[in-house]
Amino acid sequence: QKEVEQNSGPLSVPEGAIASLNCTYSDRGSQSFFWYRQYSGKSPELIMFIYSNGDKEDGRFTAQLNKASQYVSLLIRDSQPSDSATYLCAVGGVFGNEKLTFGTGTRLTIIP
Amino acid sequence: KAGVTQTPRYLIKTRGQQVTLSCSPISGHRSVSWYQQTPGQGLQFLFEYFSETQRNKGNFPGRFSGRQFSNSRSEMNVSTLELGDSALYLCASSLGDRGGDQPQHFGDGTRLSIL
Repeated sequence: QKEVEQNSGPLSVPEGAIASLNCTYSDRGSQSFFWYRQYSGKSPELIMFIYSNGDKEDGRFTAQLNKASQYVSLLIRDSQPSDSATYLCAVGGVFGNEKLTFGTGTRLTIIP
Repeated sequence: KAGVTQTPRYLIKTRGQQVTLSCSPISGHRSVSWYQQTPGQGLQFLFEYFSETQRNKGNFPGRFSGRQFSNSRSEMNVSTLELGDSALYLCASSLGDRGGDQPQHFGDGTRLSIL
């Protein structure tokens, strides 16, 4: 069983709609959760991070964490063509443990 | 504020050679982590350095090694290169102290091709 699982996609969403990206993890001791966006040929760019159960909003992005279900998600509201990229879910341990375990990523395409 | 800087951006080597990659973290960041990204395996953690000490290590063979200098800059070395070492090598930096929000920020990476 993979430690961090994501649907590889591709996920196609119409422009202006809400894109929903999901991630599950296996290590119950995980404490930190990150979403990175990676454009083709580029390096990962940090989008959101969340440490506590519940929702965290930043502009058009909302990260949701449910530790009991070992589930983390990313919602992108008012999707734009520039949001088309691969989204990587990363899971870390306690603060200061810098080892991140990444999912394989979900390829998102926003259709104009 | 300058981001994470990796050099060189591209490298071409042949099997059996060795290579050294360099990473300068964001100013004030003391933790440097290295990752390997390949199409088949995705992003995999190599190791992390903090205050010149290796603090975390992934599951890579001993041919992969690293070090960190007193100014937090880090180098990664791969010896006896194999074809399977062809990958994008990414460096990420963070504050690294065990106190709070600690997101890692990535450099542009070094793309290593083995012929």
